[in-house]
Amino acid sequence: EAQVTQNPRYLITVTGKKLTVTCSQNMNHEYMSWYRQDPGLGLRQIYYSMNVEVTDKGDVPEGYKVSRKEKRNFPLILESPSPNQTSLYFCASSLTGGVTDTQYFGPGTRLTVL
Amino acid sequence: AQSVSQHNHHVILSEAASLELGCNYSYGGTVNLFWYVQYPGQHLQLLLKYFSGDPLVKGIKGFEAEFIKSKFSFNLRKPSVQWSDTAEYFCAVNDNNNDMRFGAGTRLTVKP
Repeated sequence: EAQVTQNPRYLITVTGKKLTVTCSQNMNHEYMSWYRQDPGLGLRQIYYSMNVEVTDKGDVPEGYKVSRKEKRNFPLILESPSPNQTSLYFCASSLTGGVTDTQYFGPGTRLTVL
Repeated sequence: AQSVSQHNHHVILSEAASLELGCNYSYGGTVNLFWYVQYPGQHLQLLLKYFSGDPLVKGIKGFEAEFIKSKFSFNLRKPSVQWSDTAEYFCAVNDNNNDMRFGAGTRLTVKP
């Protein structure tokens, strides 16, 4: 089944403790992206990647890192999480990142930083 | 940078009522327009999209949207909603620089 998977689905952590949220897609998509969803703000893009070893900042990249060493994986790294990073995170992928491409979303990761 | 406005934060309807959710964007150039839906506990999925041609676009589950360029709008409609349409709906706009922006979302509650 074609899908985007994320792990973990739920995570509670404390300020400053490094964490990684994994994202994987099995559709051979070139483009992958991370969003955070906050009430009243919709989805805001954190980082995106047009292909392996190519990553770019989105609208809200501060406090996050990403890497794209393999086409299928696009992990999101929080080196020193803070409470304002408590949010619902979605990974998405699309075939080429073209402007008319449909994005396929993962199930979301709900992160709480205490 | 462009922005996307969804005026209704929460809409409550009874089954069989007609639905129209507003979406306006602030970009004067060529745009590509999307509506995504997020059912409770599920991930976002595409309802429909417009990038050229007939400005009235039909999507899945009986939804449609009309692109009105002069009004910078892409409103979502459904003639008769069902309880299963209860979800959050997001309008998204992508310009030809691939700057994708989502609206804040509209939560739709359909009462049986």
